[in-house]
Amino acid sequence: DAGVTQSPTHLIKTRGQQVTLRCSPKSGHDTVSWYQQALGQGPQFIFQYYEEEERQRGNFPDRFSGHQFPNYSSELNVNALLLGDSALYLCASSLMDRDNSPLHFGNGTRLTVT
Amino acid sequence: AQRVTQPEKLLSVFKGAPVELKCNYSYSGSPELFWYVQYSRQRLQLLLRHISRESIKGFTADLNKGETSFHLKKPFAQEEDSAMYYCALDNAGGTSYGKLTFGQGTILTVHP
Repeated sequence: DAGVTQSPTHLIKTRGQQVTLRCSPKSGHDTVSWYQQALGQGPQFIFQYYEEEERQRGNFPDRFSGHQFPNYSSELNVNALLLGDSALYLCASSLMDRDNSPLHFGNGTRLTVT
Repeated sequence: AQRVTQPEKLLSVFKGAPVELKCNYSYSGSPELFWYVQYSRQRLQLLLRHISRESIKGFTADLNKGETSFHLKKPFAQEEDSAMYYCALDNAGGTSYGKLTFGQGTILTVHP
């Protein structure tokens, strides 16, 4: 079982550019959540996808968008990058039946905006 | 809005000593609380959740609704317990599956 996989592992972008991060959930999971973790902080919830729809959203601007595909994999897109978007982006997968399904996290994508 | 506070950014103990990592939360409903751990060069993983009432790797945590706390305890710390520990809250009862609010984390170092 490969667990949650994220790509790329590192990324450097310039302010104003756009970026796409990818996530494959753990086998058998149907729900993907994205978190942003700034240096020295705990992860902060961005949004969650289930059945190819955004189900919940945290306090992030519309520059942050996402998508879930029929195979449950997901993408996180960030437009008009700001220096403050530099962070570790974590993907977590789970089953919508939450009582039996804790979040499983990937290793993250380290985004640096210059 | 919910909030999770871990007052200690760093905690150092010696092997065999008791350890307590503090976590306080603010939430008006019925919270579901978790402790996540990240060992060096590993991914974030669930350590325990309050509804399971389990003891994992010798760690326990009791939800105290009166004090709005969920402190993590272990009677005898081991060197392999050295890691970053995050307390997290999920506002149970709604459709918030997977929407966790994390604290800032506590780095635990257990000295030999």
